[in-house]
Amino acid sequence: EVQLVESGGGLVQPGGSLRLSCAASGLTFSNYWMTWVRQPPGKGLEWVANIKHDGSERFYVDSVKGRFTISRDNAKSSLYLQLNSLRAEDTAVYYCATDRSPQQVVAGNFDHWGQGTLVTVSS
Amino acid sequence: EIVMTQSPATLSVSPGERATLSCRASQSVRSKLAWYQQKPGQAPRLLLYDASTRATGVSARFSGSGSGTEFALTISSLQSEDFAVYYCQHYNNWPPMWTFGQGTKVEIK
Repeated sequence: EVQLVESGGGLVQPGGSLRLSCAASGLTFSNYWMTWVRQPPGKGLEWVANIKHDGSERFYVDSVKGRFTISRDNAKSSLYLQLNSLRAEDTAVYYCATDRSPQQVVAGNFDHWGQGTLVTVSS
Repeated sequence: EIVMTQSPATLSVSPGERATLSCRASQSVRSKLAWYQQKPGQAPRLLLYDASTRATGVSARFSGSGSGTEFALTISSLQSEDFAVYYCQHYNNWPPMWTFGQGTKVEIK
């Protein structure tokens, strides 16, 4: 059974930083593109970033470019999201998710999700 | 950016009835569209991808149709566990700038 477990969320002041982690099990992690999706409280979903199976390509939504960094450690089956220069509008539950395709070719849809970790940006 | 617009915002349906949810893209996304279900306090769950292919383990009650800019998700006979929020998502562009619709809440009538 595939399991994704996020951690690292919390309360942070505007301008502050956090590092989110996602520990994966039950799959060959190094075969999958991985994604972060966020959801502000009571609102819809927003794709944030994704990273190629080997870490060689990374992409971001415009609103986080230059502030967030996605990375991975395939030896530890772990995905990360470094959040810098945080703003109130970054307040959300952050989910990690696997791309559906296990073949190192991105599918663009996500079939396994973690339970999410809440990031609250407030003074 | 491709804008995904879902309608209606809320759909009130009686158990056993059919529900049809709509998703419109601001420009063609071919068939690069997925549907997700989200229940309160839970992560989203992939239902359909490539507009009409059911994900692993998804009930045949769920079906999808459409291509280009107009898509639909149909739930043939609503069960109690189907009351949830449903999101569409396109994945047509590269580099990725994938976007979700704002969601349709299916509630018990």
